[in-house]
Amino acid sequence: GAVVSQHPSRVICKSGTSVKIECRSLDFQATTMFWYRQFPKQSLMLMATSNEGSKATYEQGVEKDKFLINHASLTLSTLTVTSAHPEDSSFYICSARDSGGLDTQYFGPGTRLTVL
Amino acid sequence: AQSVTQLDSHVSVSEGTPVLLRCNYSSSYSPSLFWYVQHPNKGLQLLLKYTSAATLVKGINGFEAEFKKSETSFHLTKPSAHMSDAAEYFCVVSFYSSASKIIFGSGTRLSIRP
Repeated sequence: GAVVSQHPSRVICKSGTSVKIECRSLDFQATTMFWYRQFPKQSLMLMATSNEGSKATYEQGVEKDKFLINHASLTLSTLTVTSAHPEDSSFYICSARDSGGLDTQYFGPGTRLTVL
Repeated sequence: AQSVTQLDSHVSVSEGTPVLLRCNYSSSYSPSLFWYVQHPNKGLQLLLKYTSAATLVKGINGFEAEFKKSETSFHLTKPSAHMSDAAEYFCVVSFYSSASKIIFGSGTRLSIRP
């Protein structure tokens, strides 16, 4: 149980294009999902908290207009990197908090974004 | 202020020997504590979690961790290392007052020598 999927697992795009990453909780409902960014050999950095049916809460320094988050259902959150640039290349990981659980977050397998 | 510190950025042990990955936290509240493992280019897998029940927590793959409030520690151990344990390990703390946000340690890379 408690499986979180991400799609795509890997994406390469040209500079200036937009990329959408999906995060799904497969066997549980998640009113709250989180989006992280991880640079090589570093820990995860929380970008934003995605709440079902309401606006996402962004961490300080994260551009809301650049990283669009939509949490339209209890099992799906999407992160869209708009007008991507090479510096946006990174490993993006989502997590979902089980609505019926306490504190435990389950992580997706991550999406490797490379912007040329 | 709440924080979590992983004392070692890299730990190297021989196969078959014990593993100790250290984690200390700082909090004014009672935390929930987790250990996650990340293999290269993969997501994070939950190893174990402490949520104010038994202080000695057993997880998957033979790992366990002990919550010591007096030492504000939650060190991860395993009696006998296996080659497949080589990975990055993150100590994670969740504080109720932070509205479900969690704080990651900086990670410890575990290497296993044959």
